[in-house]
Amino acid sequence: NAGVTQTPKFQVLKTGQSMTLQCAQDMNHNSMYWYRQDPGMGLRLIYYSASEGTTDKGEVPNGYNVSRLNKREFSLRLESAAPSQTSVYFCASSSPIAGGNNEQFFGPGTRLTVL
Amino acid sequence: KNQVEQSPQSLIILEGKNCTLQCNYTVSPFSNLRWYKQDTGRGPVSLTIMTFSENTKSNGRYTATLDADTKQSSLHITASQLSDSASYICVVSSYQAGTALIFGKGTTLSVSS
Repeated sequence: NAGVTQTPKFQVLKTGQSMTLQCAQDMNHNSMYWYRQDPGMGLRLIYYSASEGTTDKGEVPNGYNVSRLNKREFSLRLESAAPSQTSVYFCASSSPIAGGNNEQFFGPGTRLTVL
Repeated sequence: KNQVEQSPQSLIILEGKNCTLQCNYTVSPFSNLRWYKQDTGRGPVSLTIMTFSENTKSNGRYTATLDADTKQSSLHITASQLSDSASYICVVSSYQAGTALIFGKGTTLSVSS
């Protein structure tokens, strides 16, 4: 099992450019998430997908769009990149565990710089 | 406002020594509390998950405690190793927040030889 994979690992964009961050999981999880991590701050949820065909906004959705392509894949799109979107982006997927909780598994991250 | 505060912000210890990291939260209603380890340049990896009824949970040399009354948790690392150098993140889940988790800023631990 590869777990959660993300592409690309690094990306540099100019302001106004667009790009799509790809995420895939091979654990047959229903739920998937996109987070951003900025220096001195905790991870913040951008969007999540509780199941195939559904997506919902998280804490910081502005400037992003998502697509749950199928059960395995969840992509994040920046339509017009801004310097404020310079961050490390993590994708995660989750499975239910005992007690009604869910354990999240994270990908290795995409380091994005917007100039 | 739901918040998770961690202390200290950073910590340096000698290899072989023990250490304890702290987490205070104001999340309500509380569902569960997790500790993650994040190596530099990697994604977070789960160490423990504790529900309201659990006071202590261990994972090898890592032991987490939870006091739901005072809304405090600690992560104790025994006999530290160089590979323990990482950021340790406390995360609290609330039923009211749906599937969202509230992340602390993390404690950066450096273990030196």
